Amino acid sequence: AQTVTQSQPEMSVQEAETVTLSCTYDTSESDYYLFWYKQPPSRQMILVIRQEAYKQQNATENRFSVNFQKAAKSFSLKISDSQLGDAAMYFCAYRSLHGVGGSEKLVFGKGTKLTVNP
Amino acid sequence: AAGVIQSPRHLIKEKRETATLKCYPIPRHDTVYWYQQGPGQDPQFLISFYEKMQSDKGSIPDRFSAQQFSDYHSELNMSSLELGDSALYFCASSLSGGTNQPQHFGDGTRLSIL
Repeated sequence: AQTVTQSQPEMSVQEAETVTLSCTYDTSESDYYLFWYKQPPSRQMILVIRQEAYKQQNATENRFSVNFQKAAKSFSLKISDSQLGDAAMYFCAYRSLHGVGGSEKLVFGKGTKLTVNP
Repeated sequence: AAGVIQSPRHLIKEKRETATLKCYPIPRHDTVYWYQQGPGQDPQFLISFYEKMQSDKGSIPDRFSAQQFSDYHSELNMSSLELGDSALYFCASSLSGGTNQPQHFGDGTRLSIL
């Protein structure tokens, strides 16, 4: 079974600065997807960024980028120019690539609570 | 754009009562997933449906059951409720079939057991 580990229960960053959230995972599969979800106090689960394991290029979405190290099974999220609205719980998640319909469940890490200081 | 709709947003029940949570997926999405998120916890997979058939099962108690209907909406039925069932219940929908389409989450149902 796959596992996802987020070793930083809490992180803080000054507004406009950069912060990196760590995520490692364990799997015997060679193809899979990785995701970062954001959960603000409003409790919605919002997709931030996703990475296909077969792609070597790191995904980027505006101020959010990832550092995907497949051999090390590491998938960190970098937030640049942090904004107050970035404050939330961030979950790293794993999903198999070759699951049949309905078997592509997400496996989440325990989350990292990000505080943005003005 | 249409999103995943969950109802109700909040639900308060007492121990040993029953509850039904509803989920309406994004139109044309053929797969529904249910997750349970306890206080301060990460979401845990409960059960999923693909084309109205149960396709995968996680840590779902025997007291819970679920189904997906002909219009693709899904219901999670919970009986003999316990204090430990207090949680946020998410439904997510997606297009299945090995695509890289992500799961889209609803806003969740907050279930409180008194």
